[in-house]
Amino acid sequence: AQSVAQPEDQVNVAEGNPLTVKCTYSVSGNPYLFWYVQYPNRGLQFLLKYITGDNLVKGSYGFEAEFNKSQTSFHLKKPSALVSDSALYFCAVRDRKNTGFQKLVFGTGTRLLVSP
Amino acid sequence: DSGVTQTPKHLITATGQRVTLRCSPRSGDLSVYWYQQSLDQGLQFLIQYYNGEERAKGNILERFSAQQFPDLHSELNLSSLELGDSALYFCASSVLPTIPVYGYTFGSGTRLTVV
Repeated sequence: AQSVAQPEDQVNVAEGNPLTVKCTYSVSGNPYLFWYVQYPNRGLQFLLKYITGDNLVKGSYGFEAEFNKSQTSFHLKKPSALVSDSALYFCAVRDRKNTGFQKLVFGTGTRLLVSP
Repeated sequence: DSGVTQTPKHLITATGQRVTLRCSPRSGDLSVYWYQQSLDQGLQFLIQYYNGEERAKGNILERFSAQQFPDLHSELNLSSLELGDSALYFCASSVLPTIPVYGYTFGSGTRLTVV
């Protein structure tokens, strides 16, 4: 089965500094990878995806992610963190069955805290 | 507003009780997914419906059931509630029973607290 792992429960960074939220994946075949963000009392919001093409994917709110096939990683990055980026971040991978059924499998989430 | 509506936003109930969570998908979306988010297990897929028919089940307990109605709204029924059922329950929708290029559209969730 397809899976993703987020090794850090929490990441702390000072405002203005670069941030990285880590994600590694385990898939058979080509991975479809996603990052979502969850703000307090809100649903998950799509940030970006990797399906094919350039290894550096740009998304919403200035976030980007780097797909690394040799390291099976899909880390989320931002050059300069904002306090408003503080939220819960989820990495996800498409799980596709032979029946054609597809679902998203999520990591356990990483809480990002950006201090002023 | 994502277009996916979940009600109620908060629910507090006692152990042993039964509750119903409701989800209205985004206009035009035929597929509905239910996920459970708990502190210790992250987001777990429960069940998927497409155009009124159950398509797949995940880690859904036998005490839980769901359905999708002709108007495409979906209900998740949780019965014989236990303390461990306390969680945030999300509904997501998509047009087809596949993952759109931009992922699912999620509702804001129903927070269930069992006391």
